[in-house]
Amino acid sequence: EAGVTQFPSHSVIEKGQTVTLRCDPISGHDNLYWYRRVMGKEIKFLLHFVKESKQDESGMPNNRFLAERTGGTYSTLKVQPAELEDSGVYFCASSQGTRRVGQETQYFGPGTRLLVL
Amino acid sequence: AQSVAQPEDQVNVAEGNPLTVKCTYSVSGNPYLFWYVQYPNRGLQFLLKYITGDNLVKGSYGFEAEFNKSQTSFHLKKPSALVSDSALYFCAACDSNYQLIWGAGTKLIIKP
Repeated sequence: EAGVTQFPSHSVIEKGQTVTLRCDPISGHDNLYWYRRVMGKEIKFLLHFVKESKQDESGMPNNRFLAERTGGTYSTLKVQPAELEDSGVYFCASSQGTRRVGQETQYFGPGTRLLVL
Repeated sequence: AQSVAQPEDQVNVAEGNPLTVKCTYSVSGNPYLFWYVQYPNRGLQFLLKYITGDNLVKGSYGFEAEFNKSQTSFHLKKPSALVSDSALYFCAACDSNYQLIWGAGTKLIIKP
């Protein structure tokens, strides 16, 4: 079974540019999550999809961040325009959706390392 | 505010010795608690979780964790460390909004 994949693995962009991160969850997983870890700090929740619907986007920093999950499959996270403080590692995770949210094990991708210069 | 604390940035252990990575939490209600590990250039891998029941939870790679409600702790342990256990370890708790709250991570270094 293929795991969660993320693309790209690294991205270096200049302030003001746009970057789009992609996440492919494990096939059949209804729940998809985005997280961010700024260097040396704790991982922060960004948002949660159930299929194609945004269940909880309370962790999104501001309106420069836009997440979509077309058809309930893969998801994209766009940052436009990027700022210096957006640098960090963006993780995607998925879970089946058969148990109560919070009890389920989330399976993580390798992350995208974003550096905004 | 709900939070998870990992008080040690780094833990150094000699191979073959027991290891402990500490985690305390401040989450309302009955917490769901998790440990994940991140090896270099890899994603986070699930180790174990506590939902309910026995306070001692056994997980992958010989790791276990003990839930202590009175001390609000969920320390990760292993009886005999391997060099290959060297990695970054994260503790997480599920809050009342069903979001995972994470600790800052602890770097575990096992020396041969």
